Amino acid sequence: EDQVTQSPEALRLQEGESSSLNCSYTVSGLRGLFWYRQDPGKGPEFLFTLYSAGEEKEKERLKATLTKKESFLHITAPKPEDSATYLCAVQRSGTYKYIFGTGTRLKVLA
Amino acid sequence: DADVTQTPRNRITKTGKRIMLECSQTKGHDRMYWYRQDPGLGLRLIYYSFDVKDINKGEISDGYSVSRQAQAKFSLSLESAIPNQTALYFCATSEYSGTSAGELFFGEGSRLTVL
Repeated sequence: EDQVTQSPEALRLQEGESSSLNCSYTVSGLRGLFWYRQDPGKGPEFLFTLYSAGEEKEKERLKATLTKKESFLHITAPKPEDSATYLCAVQRSGTYKYIFGTGTRLKVLA
Repeated sequence: DADVTQTPRNRITKTGKRIMLECSQTKGHDRMYWYRQDPGLGLRLIYYSFDVKDINKGEISDGYSVSRQAQAKFSLSLESAIPNQTALYFCATSEYSGTSAGELFFGEGSRLTVL
């Protein structure tokens, strides 16, 4: 069964304290892995798509990496405005459905 | 203006009432989706549509129906609302992308409370 597990559920960081969020997945043939940011009361906002193991993508303080079993979202020197819930999703080859994890709630303290 | 617009943004209703949530998009995407988000359960797919004549059930379609009125419009109905349908509902779109994976673009959400 396709499954996505994110850890930790919640994370509190001091401003400038770098860390990583984890997304472990089980899928028979990965079409793509997605990262989204969701602010309270808002819809998820697309960040990255990763397609194959070894791929990396960066955007400002965020960097996403992918292996055959998991993806990491690295946050370098975070700021309070990076506080949000980060969602991971996968799409299996041969389908157009997306399987979402339950997210990591990130709080960055000034 | 938002590319994916949902109405209403908030709705409180009573058990047994019929409710319609509407979604319209200006992205020109063929594919539209309705998701439900509950704390601790993540986003779950209710229905999806790949074009006006194509409607498909998702993983939790019981108690819901949809209508694709046009390429840009996709509505979700609860024929007889019940309290466990209280949730945050999202409409999303994606572009047909052939062999690559297309990211989802979400609306701002519709918070539904069923008393």
